[in-house]
Amino acid sequence: DTGVSQDPRHKITKRGQNVTFRCDPISEHNRLYWYRQTLGQGPEFLTYFQNEAQLEKSRLLSDRFSAERPKGSFSTLEIQRTEQGDSAMYLCASTGTGFGTEAFFGQGTRLTVV
Amino acid sequence: AQTVTQSQPEMSVQEAETVTLSCTYDTSESDYYLFWYKQPPSRQMILVIRQEAYKQQNATENRFSVNFQKAAKSFSLKISDSQLGDAAMYFCAYRTYGQNFVFGPGTRLSVLP
Repeated sequence: DTGVSQDPRHKITKRGQNVTFRCDPISEHNRLYWYRQTLGQGPEFLTYFQNEAQLEKSRLLSDRFSAERPKGSFSTLEIQRTEQGDSAMYLCASTGTGFGTEAFFGQGTRLTVV
Repeated sequence: AQTVTQSQPEMSVQEAETVTLSCTYDTSESDYYLFWYKQPPSRQMILVIRQEAYKQQNATENRFSVNFQKAAKSFSLKISDSQLGDAAMYFCAYRTYGQNFVFGPGTRLSVLP
């Protein structure tokens, strides 16, 4: 296993277009998180899955955002009708069970909305 | 709601010297974990060190150690014998049972040769 992978690494899109990002967690990890990070800031929580169940969503996650984790494996994050304010790094992380376990992060998808 | 504060946006240290990064947090929980993560430029975040709130002994990982003051809700990171590869953003994070990780705003550490 090579860790958490995210695709694409970079995405440039025009305002109003839809984009979808993919995250492949470490295979034995049942928890998967999406975070958003703007330049010079800490990651902000977006949503969290345990297996295929989406257990928590941040108020930051407007109705233009949707996330899925079918079959409890990879996850997708879709942003509809993108806005310039959506420009950020989108990070995915996964953990095993136990709240003291380490979160392993992917390298992120950098979204630029022009 | 839990919050994590890092009051030092930027810090610098001379190579081979020691530097301490500050972190405070707010919670009403009694059991939780605290973490320091490192994010090198254009690279993914990696765990530096973690501390369980119930453990009184401060965690240590090679050149990295923490000063955990539970009553003061303080969790500082000390980096000894700083190396050029330590230059990165450092994030303090908190997590309690059944919840996501809450991160601070980060401290950018520069290491001067």
